[in-house]
Amino acid sequence: DVKVTQSSRYLVKRTGEKVFLECVQDMDHENMFWYRQDPGLGLRLIYFSYDVKMKEKGDIPEGYSVSREKKERFSLILESASTNQTSMYLCASRTDYSNQPQHFGDGTRLSIL
Amino acid sequence: ELKVEQNPLFLSMQEGKNYTIYCNYSTTSDRLYWYRQDPGKSLESLFVLLSNGAVKQEGRLMASLDTKARLSTLHITAAVHDLSATYFCAVDIRNDMRFGAGTRLTVKP
Repeated sequence: DVKVTQSSRYLVKRTGEKVFLECVQDMDHENMFWYRQDPGLGLRLIYFSYDVKMKEKGDIPEGYSVSREKKERFSLILESASTNQTSMYLCASRTDYSNQPQHFGDGTRLSIL
Repeated sequence: ELKVEQNPLFLSMQEGKNYTIYCNYSTTSDRLYWYRQDPGKSLESLFVLLSNGAVKQEGRLMASLDTKARLSTLHITAAVHDLSATYFCAVDIRNDMRFGAGTRLTVKP
């Protein structure tokens, strides 16, 4: 069974801090994704990566960056956290075979004070 | 830009009734996914629809895809309380996955 593990379930940080959200998958998937989920807006894609060191912007990349140094790990970085980045963050991974769904982590609920 | 619209956003049903959730999208795609999310939990894959006319069924849920109309439906038959959850559709454009806003379904006795 695919396991996508996000490092924290809940996180509280202060405005202006640099915040790291980590995601690890154990199925050797090529593709990894970061979303934020807000009520009424569904999931919005921040960044995705289709290979090590490769990344593509999603709908809302402003204020975020990502890092993929190893295939199994995809990190989301909030360079200078702001209160409007308070949200649920979901990581997902997926194989390159396009008929397969994404597998999601449990999410990190991030609060920026 | 790919847009994915679901409706309704909120749905309150009586047990035993039937209903349909709709998912419209704006750009040609032949890959559509349905997910379920329980409160406080992550998303779980329900269906993968890969071609025009595809139909998948699992228990009381049936999903279909019409790529010409850019429309997918999720039909609920004889709803039971256990189906209460939020349902999302997602459209795949060359690995760029875009989600609808979700339909929060509540099934009442």
